Amino acid sequence: QLQLRESGPRLVKPSETLSLTCIVSGASVTSSDYYWGWIRQSPAQGLEWIGSIYSGGRTYYKASLESRVTISVDTSKNEFSLKLTSVTAADTAIYYCALFPAAGAPVFDSWGLGALVTVSS
Amino acid sequence: EIVMTQSPATLSVSPGESATLSCRASHSVSVNLAWYQQKPGQAPRLLIYRASTRATGIPARFSGSGSGTEFTLTISSLQSEDFALYYCQQYTNWPPGFTFGQGTKLEVK
Repeated sequence: QLQLRESGPRLVKPSETLSLTCIVSGASVTSSDYYWGWIRQSPAQGLEWIGSIYSGGRTYYKASLESRVTISVDTSKNEFSLKLTSVTAADTAIYYCALFPAAGAPVFDSWGLGALVTVSS
Repeated sequence: EIVMTQSPATLSVSPGESATLSCRASHSVSVNLAWYQQKPGQAPRLLIYRASTRATGIPARFSGSGSGTEFTLTISSLQSEDFALYYCQQYTNWPPGFTFGQGTKLEVK
């Protein structure tokens, strides 16, 4: 059974970099069956897709976040990560790792439990 | 960016009755629309994709309809576990991205 779990610091200072990792079990991050990605949720923005990565490292980012976001894969640990630079209070949110199938409708059918990340000094 | 607008923000319905939730797209998304359910403290769960196809394990009381810019999620014979938040999501412009509606809270009347 495919499972995702977010890991990383829950408190980040303004202007610093938010870093989260998604630990994957039940599937390989090298699989071409899925796109691996991140979605966040805040009261102000609601659900917001951040970006996704596909087999071979092809990345897709939300246009308004693209200058600050990097998603990458660590095949040796079977995990993928999110880095968001120059954070502000507006980046405070629950961050979910999630995936969608490469074939068929690109809808998010597996999610992690979520990680509340607070940006504060 | 395609903007998704859900209405109403809150819907109060009695158990056993039916609920109708709406989602409108700022531009046509064809049938490239999904619905999710979210309960407190949990991640969203996929209910419907391609506007009307139920995801694996989703009860038949959940049904979706619509195309273009107007979509509806209907939940018949509401059960206690159905009272939650519901979000629509368009994927017509993937790649490069996706957008979600702001959600409808379905509460017990």
